[in-house]
Amino acid sequence: AQSVTQPDIHITVSEGASLELRCNYSYGATPYLFWYVQSPGQGLQLLLKYFSGDTLVQGIKGFEAEFKRSQSSFNLRKPSVHWSDAAEYFCALRGGADGLTFGKGTHLIIQP
Amino acid sequence: DTAVSQTPKYLVTQMGNDKSIKCEQNLGHDTMYWYKQDSKKFLKIMFSYNNKELIINETVPNRFSPKSPDKAHLNLHINSLELGDSAVYFCASSSGTGSGGYTFGSGTRLTVV
Repeated sequence: AQSVTQPDIHITVSEGASLELRCNYSYGATPYLFWYVQSPGQGLQLLLKYFSGDTLVQGIKGFEAEFKRSQSSFNLRKPSVHWSDAAEYFCALRGGADGLTFGKGTHLIIQP
Repeated sequence: DTAVSQTPKYLVTQMGNDKSIKCEQNLGHDTMYWYKQDSKKFLKIMFSYNNKELIINETVPNRFSPKSPDKAHLNLHINSLELGDSAVYFCASSSGTGSGGYTFGSGTRLTVV
């Protein structure tokens, strides 16, 4: 069975500081991996995705993520966060079957 | 033009009623999905449709039935609503392999009272 784990339920970061959100997955082969962001009362917006090739992927809004097969991880990073980055972040994978399996999300709080 | 649109955005209804949520996508995608987000924000896939065929049917109650009149629409019909059905329901679509990502609608917040 495939699964996604986001170990941090809440993370608080000061505005301007760097950010790393953790994501670990369980799947027998190389999955397709995604990061989505959900602002309060909004839908999910795709930040970036990994299918193959370069393990460091760039996304929108200054985000990047690195796929590490040996650690089964796909952590999301941003060098300097802005107050507008406060939101819920979801890591997801598409394994053998269609559709996405999501992690439980990480709630990002930005301190002024 | 909204890529994936859902209606209504909010739905408040009494227990036992039957309701439908509509979804339309204008991306030309061939697969559409319904996801449920519970009160703890956990997202779980409910259904997907590819070329009018159901290809995933997770363990959801049979009171939930997806209906797809064509490739651009996937409606969700719910019979005999229960309190536990209260959640946010998201429609999504993707191309064949999902390589372009999955595009989500803005969600329908269903409240059963």
